Parts: sequence; C-alpha cells; structure tokens
Amino acid sequence: DAMVIQNPRYQVTQFGKPVTLSCSQTLNHNVMYWYQQKSSQAPKLLFHYYDKDFNNEADTPDNFQSRRPNTSFCFLDIRSPGLGDAAMYLCATASPFANSYEQYFGPGTRLTVT
Amino acid sequence: QQQVKQSPQSLIVQKGGISIINCAYENTAFDYFPWYQQFPGKGPALLIAIRPDVSEKKEGRFTISFNKSAKQFSLHIMDSQPGDSATYFCAASINAYGGSQGNLIFGKGTKLSVKP
Repeated sequence: DAMVIQNPRYQVTQFGKPVTLSCSQTLNHNVMYWYQQKSSQAPKLLFHYYDKDFNNEADTPDNFQSRRPNTSFCFLDIRSPGLGDAAMYLCATASPFANSYEQYFGPGTRLTVT
Repeated sequence: QQQVKQSPQSLIVQKGGISIINCAYENTAFDYFPWYQQFPGKGPALLIAIRPDVSEKKEGRFTISFNKSAKQFSLHIMDSQPGDSATYFCAASINAYGGSQGNLIFGKGTKLSVKP
C-alpha cells in the first residue's frame, strides 16, 4: 500500500544532543511537509519542500533543519534539542497534480527530551 | 486573517446522537476546507473535504455544511459511535495550483467523546 512512513516512532534524546527524524513515502508526491504537534494542540507547520525547493515558515527556529535527498525521503534535524522541543513530529505529503492538495500524514514520531 | 476558529473545544455526545463541530474563517482566498480525524498517538487522517462551490458534502455518516457568505463550515456526525471518539481538526488552504502549495491552516481541534 502506498503510504507515508516515519522512523522511529518513538525517540528519546538528551538535552542538546542532535537528533534526526526520518520520513519516507511511496506516493511519489512532490510536496513533503514537517509539522510539530504538542499535546492538545493543532499541528504547526515547520517547513515544506516542493520537489527540491525548501520553504521555511517564518517562525520556525533555526534549531530545526531539513534535508530532502530525493523524492522519497525527507529528514528533520534538530541540532540542539531543548525541553520545549518535546512533541509529536508529523510528516505529510501532497501532490499538486492531483485534484487537490490533499495531505497524507504519517503516524508521527514522538520525541522525548531528557 | 489567516486564522481558522474552531468550536467547541470539547464535546460529549451520547451514542446515536449527532455531533456538530463548527469552524469560521476570514480569508476569502481559501478554497479548500478539509476535516481531519486524529486518534491518540496517531497522525491526522483526512475525513472529508469541501470546496466553496458546493454548500454540502456527505460521505456516509459525515456531512460538511458550508456557508460561503457567513465564512463558516461545520462537520456533522450522524449516529455517533464510541469509535468516533477522537480529536477533529478543521482546516483551510489555498489549493489552486501555485497557491502557497496547499499549506493548511488548522483550527485548534475539538475533542469528541461518544458515550455508550
């Protein structure tokens, strides 16, 4: 089945220790998004890629970086995680060539910072 | 102007009842209005979506009502079931090709509990 896969599902890291979260998709979608979702809140868009074009949201901290080496994979790098970065991180994909920009979400990675 | 306001924050409904969640927006450029369902520990899943050229869309027990002049849209869940207990997010985006690449503006979410 075509899908959005996130690894790992749960990640524990220490304060200040770099961490990388990964997302892969078999949908062959042009657009990939990274969201941060804290408890009982709506997902917050961090950035997205349209093919290789990177689009950063204005309020995304510099601590968050992303890489998209090919269509299928996208990575979220947190350079120096703080306690406030503990959250669920969601990857989503979309294709502008379909009828709509329907976004397909992965299951998320729950990040804990100790 | 980019906000989407969602109410209520939480909702308790008896099994078999109707659940109604409301959203309002300001930006008239929005042209795509999806509803997402999210269970604890899972990613959001698209439930149903509507474009402003129709006033209602129904899929099974789920109906979106859309009022363009009032800039409001709502989700109705008929015959609500305990399995519908989840958090529901409304969203809006400018979906036309080349229009901000479909970035979703989410409401704050409604936690629905359906009691048996």
